[in-house]
Amino acid sequence: QQKVQQSPESLIVPEGGMASLNCTSSDRNVDYFWWYRQHSGKSPKMLMSIFSNGEKEEGRFTVHLNKASLHTSLHIRDSQPSDSALYLCAARAASSSSFSKLVFGQGTSLSVVP
Amino acid sequence: EAAVTQSPRNKVTVTGGNVTLSCRQTNSHNYMYWYRQDTGHGLRLIHYSYGAGNLQIGDVPDGYKATRTTQEDFFLLLELASPSQTSLYFCASRGQGASYEQYFGPGTRLTVL
Repeated sequence: QQKVQQSPESLIVPEGGMASLNCTSSDRNVDYFWWYRQHSGKSPKMLMSIFSNGEKEEGRFTVHLNKASLHTSLHIRDSQPSDSALYLCAARAASSSSFSKLVFGQGTSLSVVP
Repeated sequence: EAAVTQSPRNKVTVTGGNVTLSCRQTNSHNYMYWYRQDTGHGLRLIHYSYGAGNLQIGDVPDGYKATRTTQEDFFLLLELASPSQTSLYFCASRGQGASYEQYFGPGTRLTVL
């Protein structure tokens, strides 16, 4: 069964600093990654998705993907206290039996301190 | 924004009890999902469906049944609840689009004593 591993489990960064979160899949059939953000007491919401090798930027958020190593990373620059949340990585395997479902990692808990 | 609602929001039951969790989406989405969330495990998929009457088994299905009665409604059934099923349960829906974004409900916190 596919596994999605995230690191670190928790991260503390100062306000204005850079946060870097990592995610790796064990399934060589993975073709698509998502990043979700979940604030405390709330439900997850999609932040960004990526399926091509390289980089994608949206405002302060940048996602990298290396398909050869099945590794994606999320970078948050100029981190704000409002970015404090649980960040979940999800992956989809491109096989017909699992095409409709995502596998989530265990999450990285980010705290941005003033 | 896409709307997914869940009920009840909180539920306490005893070991061996019957529980039904309800989910409704008004997004005209085909796909609906049930997850459980536990500390250290992220979100784990229990069951999912791609239309009324359809049911697909997820990654942690043991002890759970599900039923999709309409396009809007998806139910999760625990017929003999056990303390190991104490968790936060999320329902989600998604459409057919390439973005594949899943929209989550507010969650149901279930405690089995």
